[in-house]
This record gives sequence, structure tokens and C-alpha cells, in this order.
Amino acid sequence: GENVEQHPSTLSVQEGDSAVIKCTYSDSASNYFPWYKQELGKGPQLIIDIRSNVGEKKDQRIAVTLNKTAKHFSLHITETQPEDSAVYFCAASGGLYNFNKFYFGSGTKLNVKP
Amino acid sequence: EAQVTQNPRYLITVTGKKLTVTCSQNMNHEYMSWYRQDPGLGLRQIYYSMNVEVTDKGDVPEGYKVSRKEKRNFPLILESPSPNQTSLYFCASSYSSGRSYEQYFGPGTRLTVT
Repeated sequence: GENVEQHPSTLSVQEGDSAVIKCTYSDSASNYFPWYKQELGKGPQLIIDIRSNVGEKKDQRIAVTLNKTAKHFSLHITETQPEDSAVYFCAASGGLYNFNKFYFGSGTKLNVKP
Repeated sequence: EAQVTQNPRYLITVTGKKLTVTCSQNMNHEYMSWYRQDPGLGLRQIYYSMNVEVTDKGDVPEGYKVSRKEKRNFPLILESPSPNQTSLYFCASSYSSGRSYEQYFGPGTRLTVT
């Protein structure tokens, strides 16, 4: 099946700085890559997603880039704020033999220091 | 309010005592799924359902059962729980392919098996 690796596991930044989280995947047929944010005691919530026919997508301070050749995708958060502190998960779906399954990375705990 | 509900939110049980965790969504979503979240492992998919009476295994289905008799409900059944099933469980729902793939997650069920 698909294997999604996520780095780093923890990330600490100063308020206003940028944060970058990276993920790699193994199934070249995967075609949908969402990012979820999980606040303490809550379920994950989608913040941005990208499909394999697009290289980059941006939504205000959040952007995702996808490199299909290298099989990696990244989450970029600019002008970080304390409320961005949470655990972030990447995921991949749509692979050749696992079309309806979702595979998540192990998560990145982001701490934004005021 | 559009939401996914899970019950119970917390459960402590003993090895071998059958239990059911309920999941319900009010968004008329076709796709529903169960995940378990363990430290350092991210979210792992247990089972998913594309629609009523259509279910399939995720990445870690051993020891679990599901059913989808109604579109809004997707219960998770542990017929003989064991301590290695101690985990945080999330139910999620979304539209199926052709529309948004955004998964809406429930608040989670923390299960302890002693």
C-alpha cells in the first residue's frame, strides 16, 4: 500500500515567521493530497488540499506545493500566529490499488511562540 | 449544524467484552470512515464505506467490524477487544468522488481496554 512520511515531527517558530512541513509518498498513482489541522481535544479539520493535476494552491497564509516527479508535497504557513499552534497531518489518497483509502503521515506538532 | 457525532466519547472496558462505538452524520455524505490515532503513528484507516451496504477494509481492520445499514450511521464494533486496541478513534464522512473530498471528523472516542 501507500506509505506517507512526514517531517519534522515537531516545529517551533517565532510568531510572524514561516513554517514548512514536508511529506513524501510512495504510490505514484496517488492523486489527492489533503492537509488537516488538529487542535487539542478535537478531530482533524481540513485546511487545504491539492490534486495531482495542480502544482501549487494557496489560500491566504497557507499554501501547498506538489512535486509529482519527486513524490513529495509541502505545507507552507506564512506570518504564523499563536492560533496556528496545533498538530498538522498530511495525507494521500487515490492510489492505483487503494483508490478510496486514505493514508496519513505521523503528524507535525507546530508551536508558534508569541 | 453540519456535524459528525460519536458516542461514547470516553470508554473504559475489559478484555473480551463486546462494544460498539456509534457514528452519525447529518450531511447526507456517501463516504464514511473510521480511523484510530496512536502517538507517533498518525491516523490509520480501519474501515471505510462508499455507501449503504458497501464497506471495505482500510489499513488496520483486524479485530474490528463495521456495518452501513443507513446512510447516516456507521458503527464500529469490537467483538472481543484487546489491550492493543486502546486508542483514540475518529469517525469521518465526506462526499464520494466527483465532489469535494473534504472529510469531516467527529470529536473522537477515547477507548481504554484493560
